Amino acid sequence: EAGVTQFPSHSVIEKGQTVTLRCDPISGHDNLYWYRRVMGKEIKFLLHFVKESKQDESGMPNNRFLAERTGGTYSTLKVQPAELEDSGVYFCASSQVGGGSNEQFFGPGTRLTVL
Amino acid sequence: GENVEQHPSTLSVQEGDSAVIKCTYSDSASNYFPWYKQELGKRPQLIIDIRSNVGEKKDQRIAVTLNKTAKHFSLHITETQPEDSAVYFCAASGSGGYQKVTFGIGTKLQVIP
Repeated sequence: EAGVTQFPSHSVIEKGQTVTLRCDPISGHDNLYWYRRVMGKEIKFLLHFVKESKQDESGMPNNRFLAERTGGTYSTLKVQPAELEDSGVYFCASSQVGGGSNEQFFGPGTRLTVL
Repeated sequence: GENVEQHPSTLSVQEGDSAVIKCTYSDSASNYFPWYKQELGKRPQLIIDIRSNVGEKKDQRIAVTLNKTAKHFSLHITETQPEDSAVYFCAASGSGGYQKVTFGIGTKLQVIP
């Protein structure tokens, strides 16, 4: 079974530019989460989709961040315009709804560097 | 909201010794506590989890304990091996399928051969 995939693996952009990160969850997983880890800090929750609906976006830092999951399959996270403090590793995770398991399966992450 | 504190931030042990990582949480409604291991350059992976209706769970060399009253939970690794070297994250959430997971800061464990 293919795991969660993310693209790109690395992105280096200049302050003020736009970057779009993509996440493909495990097939059949309705829950999709975005997280960010700034170096040396916790993995911080950004938002949660159930299918195409945003269930919880309380962790989104500000309106420069826009997440979408059209059709309830893959998701994109766009940062526009990027700022220096947006640098970090962005993880996506997915999980099943119900079935008695809470396990979230993580993708490999996208390392974003804003110069 | 939930707040998870984790310590130590770094831990070095000799191969064969035990390692203990401790976490506390703030929200008494949290009832699911997973532990993730992230090896260098790889994705975080669930290694063990515990629900609030049990106080301890074991899986080979790994065990987790939970004290709901004190809002403490811990990861114990016995007979450590070099391949245990990684960053370990504790986390807390509700057990419903839609519950947000709050992570600790991570502990970088180094097992010295």
